[in-house]
Amino acid sequence: DVKVTQSSRYLVKRTGEKVFLECVQDMDHENMFWYRQDPGLGLRLIYFSYDVKMKEKGDIPEGYSVSREKKERFSLILESASTNQTSMYLCASSPGAVDKLFFGSGTQLSVL
Amino acid sequence: AQSVTQPDIHITVSEGASLELRCNYSYGATPYLFWYVQSPGQGLQLLLKYFSGDTLVQGIKGFEAEFKRSQSSFNLRKPSVHWSDAAEYFCAVGARTNAGKSTFGDGTTLTVKP
Repeated sequence: DVKVTQSSRYLVKRTGEKVFLECVQDMDHENMFWYRQDPGLGLRLIYFSYDVKMKEKGDIPEGYSVSREKKERFSLILESASTNQTSMYLCASSPGAVDKLFFGSGTQLSVL
Repeated sequence: AQSVTQPDIHITVSEGASLELRCNYSYGATPYLFWYVQSPGQGLQLLLKYFSGDTLVQGIKGFEAEFKRSQSSFNLRKPSVHWSDAAEYFCAVGARTNAGKSTFGDGTTLTVKP
């Protein structure tokens, strides 16, 4: 079965901390994505990557960065966490250009 | 830029009743269209997708959706709802020129009454 694994289900951090959210997929997919999900706002794309070391900004990249050193791993970095980054973060991957997304179970991040 | 509107934030139906969830999209050309379902505490799972061809698309769990270009709609339907269908449903549109970048609607929460 295809699998997208997010390293933490729940995470609590303090304002100003540097936060790493990790995502690993075992399907050899080219594309990987980070979305955040907030009630009433649906899913909003933060960053995506269509190849190793390649990244593109999504709709809300401010305050975030990403890293993709290996094909299977895509990390989301909050350089200095703020309370407005409290959210559910969903990682996804897809095999090709505009194909269905496979999602991880999400990381609920609380920034205090 | 592409966009998706799901007009209904919350829908309640009785078990065994039919269901229709609405989705309207905005995109300059023929889009890729998706419906995903999210159960509580889970990630999203694809129900069905439309890329081209037959405008009536069959998906998993007995769901279907119909692409209507003239109405810019891609409504999701199920003839008889089961209690296990209670979840949040997301419509998404993908641009053919982007590497898999999809834009999601705000979601519709489905409650099923016994």
